[in-house]
Amino acid sequence: GAGVSQSPSNKVTEKGKDVELRCDPISGHTALYWYRQSLGQGLEFLIYFQGNSAPDKSGLPSDRFSAERTGGSVSTLTIQRTQQEDSAVYLCASSFVGNTIYFGEGSWLTVV
Amino acid sequence: GQQLNQSPQSMFIQEGEDVSMNCTSSSIFNTWLWYKQEPGEGPVLLIALYKAGELTSNGRLTAQFGITRKDSFLNISASIPSDVGIYFCAGIDNAGNNRKLIWGLGTSLAVNP
Repeated sequence: GAGVSQSPSNKVTEKGKDVELRCDPISGHTALYWYRQSLGQGLEFLIYFQGNSAPDKSGLPSDRFSAERTGGSVSTLTIQRTQQEDSAVYLCASSFVGNTIYFGEGSWLTVV
Repeated sequence: GQQLNQSPQSMFIQEGEDVSMNCTSSSIFNTWLWYKQEPGEGPVLLIALYKAGELTSNGRLTAQFGITRKDSFLNISASIPSDVGIYFCAGIDNAGNNRKLIWGLGTSLAVNP
């Protein structure tokens, strides 16, 4: 489709396992964002990619979280040794710089 | 992907005026969320609604979760210049085991001092 695509849409994992969440941004968008939200709380910024610049990783909550963006397009958010507090919806968004940010439908992560 | 019908698409108003925007869907949602995004920033959650019929206020903002669970509105009273931004609605679809966060396309608000 033409929008931001995220997969998996739902993931249930055991505590301690690693998970990978994928984001396919809108074609041509140079900026890509990862956020996470726990229900009832605000949107928490995680990481921002812009073109070939070094990513802004200032929002990553711990060194168990990492993300990469290959070829300026698809991005993968990896959470190692998941904990129960990692349960949340992880949102990916993309945009042209300075323009409206378009969000995906989210990847719902449940750590049991 | 699936999107909500959000209207109006844009508004240009005078400071002090009240503002109303709404979102509708063909699907039932269990949760409605309203966000505001300012230029160059990420969206900020304004109000979350969890029950059909719920009316919630946050300062000058008031939002309601429609009785049919297929719509929601956001009102801003006595607008001020810092209300400028794009307002997004989002609905959480809990159908089956496949939860999705469905977004509106946004209402762009401009306030003339």
